[in-house]
Amino acid sequence: KAGVTQTPRYLIKTRGQQVTLSCSPISGHRSVSWYQQTPGQGLQFLFEYFSETQRNKGNFPGRFSGRQFSNSRSEMNVSTLELGDSALYLCASSHGLGRFTGELFFGEGSRLTVL
Amino acid sequence: QKEVEQNSGPLSVPEGAIASLNCTYSDRVSQSFFWYRQYSGKSPELIMSIYSNGDKEDGRFTAQLNKASQYVSLLIRDSQPSDSATYLCAVPAGANSKLTFGKGITLSVRP
Repeated sequence: KAGVTQTPRYLIKTRGQQVTLSCSPISGHRSVSWYQQTPGQGLQFLFEYFSETQRNKGNFPGRFSGRQFSNSRSEMNVSTLELGDSALYLCASSHGLGRFTGELFFGEGSRLTVL
Repeated sequence: QKEVEQNSGPLSVPEGAIASLNCTYSDRVSQSFFWYRQYSGKSPELIMSIYSNGDKEDGRFTAQLNKASQYVSLLIRDSQPSDSATYLCAVPAGANSKLTFGKGITLSVRP
């Protein structure tokens, strides 16, 4: 069965621009989470979507937003990019139902560089 | 805000040795703990989960949990160069599918 797919894999933007990242979860998974990974801060939780609704939100500014579609695919958007937004953005999917087993299935990530 | 600390590292061990990776957490009510492995340039993958005090063994890997000391560790016996990776400790952060991760410990196994 296909894994989590993220696009694009690499992108370069300049300060002030905006970016949209896409994630297709494993078939049947209804929960999609987004994480930002940087060398200094590690993996930090951005938000989680389940059945098109945001269920959890991390401590990131409002420039970071997301959404989920009826087919469980998710997008995240970062507006007014700053140099500090340069990071690997990881999407993770899980069933999202019942007791959480702790298993998130991560995509390969989208590496964003802001110049 | 639940905190997960992984302060030791990077860690280098010779092939065949035991690698010990440690993690402390701040929330006393945490009930479950997870170890993820991330190879360089790859995404994290779950390798161990532990829910109760004591040890849980899976092949060469043993997770140890001490809730009184708020301490969880991962032991890798007979370390292999293929074990070279960053190991991330994680705890659930509230309801649903949210995890709080430590910053990770990078393990290098020397042939």
